[in-house]
Amino acid sequence: MLTQPHSVSESPGKTVTISCTGSSGSIASNFVQWYQQRPGSAPTIVIYEDNQRPSGVPDRFSGSIDSSSNSASLTISGLKTEDEAEYYCQSYDSTNQGVFGTGTRVTVL
Amino acid sequence: QVQLVESGGGVVQPGRSLRLSCEASGFSFSDYAMHWVRQAPGKGLEWVAVISFDGRHKYDADSVQGRFTVSRDNSKNTLFLQMNNLRAEDTALYYCVRDWGEGGIDFSFDSWGQGALVTVSS
Repeated sequence: MLTQPHSVSESPGKTVTISCTGSSGSIASNFVQWYQQRPGSAPTIVIYEDNQRPSGVPDRFSGSIDSSSNSASLTISGLKTEDEAEYYCQSYDSTNQGVFGTGTRVTVL
Repeated sequence: QVQLVESGGGVVQPGRSLRLSCEASGFSFSDYAMHWVRQAPGKGLEWVAVISFDGRHKYDADSVQGRFTVSRDNSKNTLFLQMNNLRAEDTALYYCVRDWGEGGIDFSFDSWGQGALVTVSS
């Protein structure tokens, strides 16, 4: 299970960080991805393999892993109104089952 | 560009069956593992199942084991999800999703369809 904060909010131009905490096993065991989902649309990937950005994703998006807290993080800097969306972390477990985080609603004030 | 188009959704009574299809285009379908991911109305994402590029390896979520079966026809560039003994809690938008890794299962999802809505209700 991957647990995320229910929501975060910040003003345009600021920075937000979303955590994704694993409840069992080491989160560093398998790569973590992050997805953005705007209302009414399918998700799109914004970070893969913990900290890699697909082409076309702005460098305002960055990912990291903290083994000491068994968590992954997505940081969005220089926040824009277009970043307002739901964000999900995702990985897979030792039984080859995919797992998504609980989702975080990002609001740009 | 990559296109994934789901079909086969609809309203079905509890205990009945439904088969979803996903027609792929714009890439070499037979080189990629494919997943199904679902999203209940107003809820988060839930991974459902994956099938390897050649169909030899399949894994599915505990919540659907023994009821759902993923398959593919590489000659027709089509992915399927056979859903049996449907329950109210299976009501969701079902997405067809391409795995990032060519030739393996990476469990990262780089392309998504628009989804097929399945409603289980009496």
